[in-house]
Amino acid sequence: NAGVTQTPKFRVLKTGQSMTLLCAQDMNHEYMYWYRQDPGMGLRLIHYSVGEGTTAKGEVPDGYNVSRLKKQNFLLGLESAAPSQTSVYFCASSYPTHSYNEQFFGPGTRLTVL
Amino acid sequence: DQQVKQNSPSLSVQEGRISILNCDYTNSMFDYFLWYKKYPAEGPTFLISISSIKDKNEDGRFTVFLNKSAKHLSLHIVPSQPGDSAVYFCAASQWDGNKLVFGAGTILRVKS
Repeated sequence: NAGVTQTPKFRVLKTGQSMTLLCAQDMNHEYMYWYRQDPGMGLRLIHYSVGEGTTAKGEVPDGYNVSRLKKQNFLLGLESAAPSQTSVYFCASSYPTHSYNEQFFGPGTRLTVL
Repeated sequence: DQQVKQNSPSLSVQEGRISILNCDYTNSMFDYFLWYKKYPAEGPTFLISISSIKDKNEDGRFTVFLNKSAKHLSLHIVPSQPGDSAVYFCAASQWDGNKLVFGAGTILRVKS
């Protein structure tokens, strides 16, 4: 099992460029999430999905779009990148349960917007 | 307004001693609390959790304590080892469990 994988690992963009981050999981998890991590801020939820074909906004959704066309994949898009979107992006997945929510994280994508 | 706060950005402990990491929360609707550990250039990994109906949960060298009246939880690591050096995130969720709110993290350094 590869767990949760993210592509690419690093990327540098110019302001206004677009890109898509890919997250894939092989654990048959229903739920998937995109977070960003900034110094002093911890991890903040951007968007999440509770199943194939569904998406929902998290805490900081502005400037991002997502799609979940297949259960195992969750895409995060930046249509027009801004320097404020320089961050480390983490994808996570979990199996729905009425108890605690243990999420499994990918290794992260470090994005720099110049 | 941060709902989960880790007020100590860093902590340094001698190998073999106890490490105590603290976390405070403001939302009384939180039902579950988790600790994640993160090494550089890796994603966070789940460490230990506790339900709001308990006040203590232990797993090997790791123990989490929950004080609901104070809205405070702590992670104890005994004995601390150099391999425990990492960033520790406190996280909380409500009963539906599908969203986690994270604290800013505490950098733990265990000196040998």
